[in-house]
Amino acid sequence: QLQLQESGPGLVKPSETLSLTCTVSGGSISSSSYYWGWIRQPPGKGLEWIGSIYYSGSTYYNPSLKSRVTISVDTSKNQFSLKLSSVTAADTAVYYCARTMIDWGQGTMVTVSS
Amino acid sequence: QSVLTQPPSASGTPGQRVTISCSGSSSNIGSNTVNWYQQLPGTAPKLLIYSNNQRPSGVPDRFSGSKSGTSASLAISGLQSEDEADYYCAAWDDSHWVFGGGTKLTVL
Repeated sequence: QLQLQESGPGLVKPSETLSLTCTVSGGSISSSSYYWGWIRQPPGKGLEWIGSIYYSGSTYYNPSLKSRVTISVDTSKNQFSLKLSSVTAADTAVYYCARTMIDWGQGTMVTVSS
Repeated sequence: QSVLTQPPSASGTPGQRVTISCSGSSSNIGSNTVNWYQQLPGTAPKLLIYSNNQRPSGVPDRFSGSKSGTSASLAISGLQSEDEADYYCAAWDDSHWVFGGGTKLTVL
């Protein structure tokens, strides 16, 4: 049974970098059959795709966030990560990790505030 | 403003059939398949329909999807109280995913 679990600080200061990790269990992150991504949801609002990373290392990012986003994979730990720089209050959201937009983690709330 | 357009709300009574629309363009729905997600209150989204009309294992056949041109629809037949949730459509659009704004379904 595949499980994805997000982890990271729940509070980030404005202008700093938000860093989250998604730990994958019940499946290998090295599989060429899947890609891994991040989606977020501001409180009371809809879903916004952040980006994805493929087995090959290729990355695709939301054009509106591309200048601030980095997604990477650590195959030794079966994890992938999200870094979002220069955050503002507008980046406050529940952040979800997902496999191939099919299987999702439970989400983690990140608040940007001083 | 979302790239894909959904009605903000929909409603129906138990047993009814309701339909939720999702309108896009040639770069997303017009040239790629559509996923639908169900988000129950306080939970993560769950894949309901993929590739326009395919149901993952475990999703009841009361849920069905269709696509025509640059629009897609989700239909729920035999509406049940537990179907009350937010529903989102999503599609690939020129190297990135886009979502609809979501439709809040109320079971009256």
